[in-house]
Amino acid sequence: KNQVEQSPQSLIILEGKNCTLQCNYTVSPFSNLRWYKQDTGRGPVSLTIMTFSENTKSNGRYTATLDADTKQSSLHITASQLSDSASYICVVSDRGSTLGRLYFGRGTQLTVWP
Amino acid sequence: EADIYQTPRYLVIGTGKKITLECSQTMGHDKMYWYQQDPGMELHLIHYSYGVNSTEKGDLSSESTVSRIRTEHFPLTLESARPSHTSQYLCASSESSGTGDEQFFGPGTRLTVL
Repeated sequence: KNQVEQSPQSLIILEGKNCTLQCNYTVSPFSNLRWYKQDTGRGPVSLTIMTFSENTKSNGRYTATLDADTKQSSLHITASQLSDSASYICVVSDRGSTLGRLYFGRGTQLTVWP
Repeated sequence: EADIYQTPRYLVIGTGKKITLECSQTMGHDKMYWYQQDPGMELHLIHYSYGVNSTEKGDLSSESTVSRIRTEHFPLTLESARPSHTSQYLCASSESSGTGDEQFFGPGTRLTVL
């Protein structure tokens, strides 16, 4: 069964600190993996996309890694800010259908305290 | 900020009422989607469309229906709302790209059925 598991479920850090969120998946075949940020009461917004051949990709203070062999990804947030408080969702796409089927994790709820 | 809009943002109604959740996008995307999201849970695809006059049911069984008469508009209708329909409904759109479809999400409609 294709699944996407995220850890931790929730995380509280102090402003300015770094953190790393994890995503393990069993989706096969694999097309790409996206990290989305979802603010409370809003829709998800894409942060990064990782394809099979990419190991690391940065977007400002966000750095995503992908190990396609172990089927693991991480999202590292540097120098956290209060505005980073949100749910971070890992989404994996297969290439087995015309739709490019998406598999969603349940998200990691990040809270940044001042 | 993606150009995809949902109305209403919040809706509280009584059991048995007919409701329509509106979704429109100005990006000219062919593909559109409806997701259901409960707190702390992953997004579940309930309907999708490849283009005008194309609609398909998603993975999660839903008593709702959709229509796609115009490219930019993808409304979702519940003929008779029940408390079990209480949830957050997210609309999204995408167009195919070389690195996989990025879905752009609307802000969501939070539905409460009493």
